[in-house]
Amino acid sequence: AQSVTQPDIHITVSEGASLELRCNYSYGATPYLFWYVQSPGQGLQLLLKYFSGDTLVQGIKGFEAEFKRSQSSFNLRKPSVHWSDAAEYFCALKTSYDKVIFGPGTSLSVIP
Amino acid sequence: DVKVTQSSRYLVKRTGEKVFLECVQDMDHENMFWYRQDPGLGLRLIYFSYDVKMKEKGDIPEGYSVSREKKERFSLILESASTNQTSMYLCASSSSEGPYNEQFFGPGTRLTVL
Repeated sequence: AQSVTQPDIHITVSEGASLELRCNYSYGATPYLFWYVQSPGQGLQLLLKYFSGDTLVQGIKGFEAEFKRSQSSFNLRKPSVHWSDAAEYFCALKTSYDKVIFGPGTSLSVIP
Repeated sequence: DVKVTQSSRYLVKRTGEKVFLECVQDMDHENMFWYRQDPGLGLRLIYFSYDVKMKEKGDIPEGYSVSREKKERFSLILESASTNQTSMYLCASSSSEGPYNEQFFGPGTRLTVL
């Protein structure tokens, strides 16, 4: 079965601390993976995407993600969190054609 | 910049009303999607369209229909709104050129059915 899981429903970090959001996927073929961010009251914005090649991909706003095929994971990281990073984060897996499966999301709170 | 716009940010309707949600994209994308977003469930695909007048059911099509008469516009229709359709509705579009194309999202419509 094709699926995306995000084990952490909610995470709280202090401003300036490092961040890692977890994502695991289940898919039988080469995965095309995405991380999106949704600020309150807004639509989703693409942070980064992975298709092939280097397992560490860089995105916007200082985010990066590491693809690990052996662990079926695509974790999102940021070395130093800013208060403006508080948002909902979605990991997503593109399957056949243009259909995308989204994870349930991780809500990030940032303490000043 | 890709622009996906949705006709309303907030909408309040009564049970049994027919509801239209409109979505317009300006990037000449072939693919358009309607999702609903509920806490803890992420985004669930309602319907999608690969081309004008083409539509495919997603994971939760019951109680919804769609219309795509023009390439840039994709409408979601709730034939008879019910309280369990209270949700955030997100429209998205993507190009069908190549496999690396991400979806671009509109700002969402928060629908409340009373």
